[in-house]
Amino acid sequence: SQQGEEDPQALSIQEGENATMNCSYKTSINNLQWYRQNSGRGLVHLILIRSNEREKHSGRLRVTLDTSKKSSSLLITASRAADTASYFCATSNTGNQFYFGTGTSLTVIP
Amino acid sequence: DAGVTQSPTHLIKTRGQQVTLRCSPKSGHDTVSWYQQALGQGPQFIFQYYEEEERQRGNFPDRFSGHQFPNYSSELNVNALLLGDSALYLCASSIKTGGGFSGYTFGSGTRLTVV
Repeated sequence: SQQGEEDPQALSIQEGENATMNCSYKTSINNLQWYRQNSGRGLVHLILIRSNEREKHSGRLRVTLDTSKKSSSLLITASRAADTASYFCATSNTGNQFYFGTGTSLTVIP
Repeated sequence: DAGVTQSPTHLIKTRGQQVTLRCSPKSGHDTVSWYQQALGQGPQFIFQYYEEEERQRGNFPDRFSGHQFPNYSSELNVNALLLGDSALYLCASSIKTGGGFSGYTFGSGTRLTVV
């Protein structure tokens, strides 16, 4: 399968702590994205990182990409209760079809 | 600036029936992709429309078809519904022209239940 796989499947942390989730994939990609989904509704785009980039930041989010290991990580710093959601990585090698993993369910305890 | 609008939000159909789901993309977006998300799973790519043509298709049977209109809006049609078609159907818009792909904008989805 070409889809990414997130790890861990579930993560529970205290508010203020950092949350790290990982994504591994199997084929070469031209970009990788991270999305957030609340309560089974629409996904919200967080960050896109291209295959020639190694790290990107957006607010409290930091994404790294290691194409040699075919893996990416998403770090959320100083987590808040509102960060409670499912997080998905999505990969593509064509830019047209994206493969999503099964997601990491993050619970931030106030 | 309106985001992606999907209708209806919920739908219950009987096995064997046909269904049409609708999507209006974000203003300025020209490409619409459809995804199926089963409970507890990640979204699965159905197909993508650009310039009113199907540009790429995922591993879905011909019962799944679509259309894109000149105003970039799109429909997803599913014929001969099966119980396994019960899922959240997500529409995602993006822009293909210009500076390249920068991420999807997703709608809130249509929850289809087949009974």
